This record gives sequence, structure tokens and C-alpha cells, in this order.
Amino acid sequence: GEDVEQSLFLSVREGDSSVINCTYTDSSSTYLYWYKQEPGAGLQLLTYIFSNMDMKQDQRLTVLLNKKDKHLSLRIADTQTGDSAIYFCAESMGADKLIFGTGTRLQVFP
Amino acid sequence: KAGVTQTPRYLIKTRGQQVTLSCSPISGHRSVSWYQQTPGQGLQFLFEYFSETQRNKGNFPGRFSGRQFSNSRSEMNVSTLELGDSALYLCASSLGGRSSYNEQFFGPGTRLTVL
Repeated sequence: GEDVEQSLFLSVREGDSSVINCTYTDSSSTYLYWYKQEPGAGLQLLTYIFSNMDMKQDQRLTVLLNKKDKHLSLRIADTQTGDSAIYFCAESMGADKLIFGTGTRLQVFP
Repeated sequence: KAGVTQTPRYLIKTRGQQVTLSCSPISGHRSVSWYQQTPGQGLQFLFEYFSETQRNKGNFPGRFSGRQFSNSRSEMNVSTLELGDSALYLCASSLGGRSSYNEQFFGPGTRLTVL
């Protein structure tokens, strides 16, 4: 089935690390993505990971992939107020068909 | 390079009417995908067009249709609107190659309200 789950909310203090988790169901997904959506805006691709990788780091972002458990996480180091947004994980089901998670609203407080 | 543009940005319709939304992809991109975003159902894939042909389709009723023109611009149409069609409709474009990795660039969306 096509079902990608995330926790709904995460609240962190500015300067702390944030970890957003995602579980997906289709083990055949080749790429997994993290998108950010700010209020009133479309989706911005933050990073992606190929399914044969365990980890990918991109500046303040670290993606961890556990294929056995079908678990994906996004860690944001030194979280800033500008990181407040909704974060979506997504798996690709064919070249241009993405199945999105439910989204995690990240709130960063000073 | 201009990003993905969607028109109109906001739309108000009444039940039973039909609506057409437009999406202009990034220059050189041949694939356009459409998604519906609602608070209850989240982000759901509608369909994807590549070189004027529908290549992928989600689980939406036949009232939702789309097309793509030779310049890669795409339109989606919703007929006989229902209250539940109120949503943010997002369009994304990509180069559309056969690789399973195609970075999709999203437009700002069209907010449709059905009264």
C-alpha cells in the first residue's frame, strides 16, 4: 500500500537539533525526499537520499535511512526560527509520482 | 530561470461549476505533475504528464482531468465541483527523464474554494 506516516508536531528551542521521523511502506522506493513548506508557499526540496545509502549530510541537514525498518529521519542541526515550517517526507513511485507523508509541523521558539 | 508558475493563485467557485487551472513549467522541463493538498487528506498525487501524454495517474474520480500542450504547459480541469474539492492544487515540473530521480520543482499553488 501507499502510506507514509509522520508525527504531526515538533517543538524545539532555537539552537537545538530537530529530528523529524517518517515511516514508509514501499520497499521498492528508489529515492526518498524531504520537502519544506512555509505558510502560503509551495514545496521546496531540501534533500533526498538514494535507497542504497544509509546516511546523507548536507550542511545542517542529516538524513538517515533504515531500509530494514522502512524508517527515514531528518535531523536539522542548530535549528533557527526560519526553520519553522511543515516538513514532508516523500517516496517516489515511478519517475514523477511522489507519495507524501502527512507532514510534521516544526515550531522553533526562542 | 523563471520558476513554475500557476494561475490563477486564488479561485472561488460554487458547487456544480467547473474549473480550469493552469501550470507553466520551468523552461526545458517536459514533465508536469499535479497534487491536491487538503488538511484532511494531505498531499495527494493527481496525475503526471510527459510529452503531452498522461504517464501516471492517482486515485481520483474522472471529474479530475488534465492535459499538456506541446510547449509543456499543463492544465487541469475539475468538473461538477464539490465542497470537498476545496484545496490547494500544486503543480510540479521536472526534466522527466526515465531515471527514478527527477527533481520536481513546485509552483506556489492555486487555492480553490468551493462554496
